[in-house]
Amino acid sequence: DIQMTQSPSSLSASVGDRVTITCRASQDISNYLAWFQQKPGKAPKSLIYAASSLQSGVPSKFSGSGSGTDFTLTISSLQPEDFATYYCQQYNSYPRTFGQGTKVEIK
Amino acid sequence: EVQLVESGGGLVKPGGSLRLSCAASGFTFSNYSMNWVRRAPGKGLEWVSSISGRSGYLYYADSVRGRFTISRDNAKNSLYLQMNSLRAEDTAVYYCARAQTVGANVLGYWGQGTLVTVSS
Repeated sequence: DIQMTQSPSSLSASVGDRVTITCRASQDISNYLAWFQQKPGKAPKSLIYAASSLQSGVPSKFSGSGSGTDFTLTISSLQPEDFATYYCQQYNSYPRTFGQGTKVEIK
Repeated sequence: EVQLVESGGGLVKPGGSLRLSCAASGFTFSNYSMNWVRRAPGKGLEWVSSISGRSGYLYYADSVRGRFTISRDNAKNSLYLQMNSLRAEDTAVYYCARAQTVGANVLGYWGQGTLVTVSS
């Protein structure tokens, strides 16, 4: 199975900050990497697929990059509605695997 | 508009069974792979199972293989998860999720989830 490791596990940031979350795969997954956002009590929301393609309706302050084993999710200017937990997931092979999540909190 | 509505969750004793359903609308259901993903209390997201559009391909997480069965009824635009031999560690919110595109099973659309609690 492919292991996905996110860092950091949590971070504190202020409104307006630029935030970067990293995700590392235990083997080459090409660009088969997706990012999701989940707020407490809500369903996950799909943000990015194919490592860098924005889902329809997702604001351009979110961006993704990377290929192979190393990936990043960047939020260019953090807003109050962005405080949430973010997950990466590989869809290169089954079983699909998620990272453990990164909780973005208000400083 | 894509809509996914889960149902069937509830409280069940260890060793018991439960069948989850997901009613889909707003798209041609049979064209898309479908998935179940869960989130246990205090933990992260865990992929559970996937099924291709015509049910030709089924996939399961090791943690549920042999106990859970995914299925779909394209005539009813519905996805199912039959859960048997339930354990306390199966307690979670279960989400139904549709593939983003016809060609690749990347999760694109999610339902609101249904809570399954396994407890005596």
